[in-house]
Amino acid sequence: AQSVAQPEDQVNVAEGNPLTVKCTYSVSGNPYLFWYVQYPNRGLQFLLKYITGDNLVKGSYGFEAEFNKSQTSFHLKKPSALVSDSALYFCAVKKASKIIFGSGTRLSIRP
Amino acid sequence: EAQVTQNPRYLITVTGKKLTVTCSQNMNHEYMSWYRQDPGLGLRQIYYSMNVEVTDKGDVPEGYKVSRKEKRNFPLILESPSPNQTSLYFCASSLSPGPNLYEQYFGPGTRLTVT
Repeated sequence: AQSVAQPEDQVNVAEGNPLTVKCTYSVSGNPYLFWYVQYPNRGLQFLLKYITGDNLVKGSYGFEAEFNKSQTSFHLKKPSALVSDSALYFCAVKKASKIIFGSGTRLSIRP
Repeated sequence: EAQVTQNPRYLITVTGKKLTVTCSQNMNHEYMSWYRQDPGLGLRQIYYSMNVEVTDKGDVPEGYKVSRKEKRNFPLILESPSPNQTSLYFCASSLSPGPNLYEQYFGPGTRLTVT
């Protein structure tokens, strides 16, 4: 069955440091993988996607994600964290006509 | 402005009292969906609609109904709400159920409390 797992409920990073939010997937066939972000009191916003091609995909707000087939991972990264990046991040995978979301990781950036 | 709107944003109700949460999008999107968000569980899909008059169950459809009589509207109906339906609800839409499905636009959410 298509699914994603986010092993960390919370990630804490100092401003200016690199950040990584982890995601692993379990799919049959080629995965369609995505990241969404949810700011406080807002709906989710699409960040980036991996469908095919280059394993490093770039998205909004300076985020990027690396698709690693051998490790079945799709980690979200940013070279230098901002306090404004503090939010809830969801990894997701496409399954037929649906999107399956992970449980979410709360990212907290301290000044 | 392109957007998905939901009403009401906050609702407190009692067990068994029927309610409807409205959802409307102004982007002429074919695909619309309802999710509920619960701590530690992420978002779970309740129902989705591929187009007008075409709806299907998601992963947690029990206790909910939907309809899609117009392209822009996709109301969520709770015929007899129960406390386990206390949650944060999101409506979302995307251009089509095909390649653009991943880029869903989400409404601001409706926080429902059933006592």
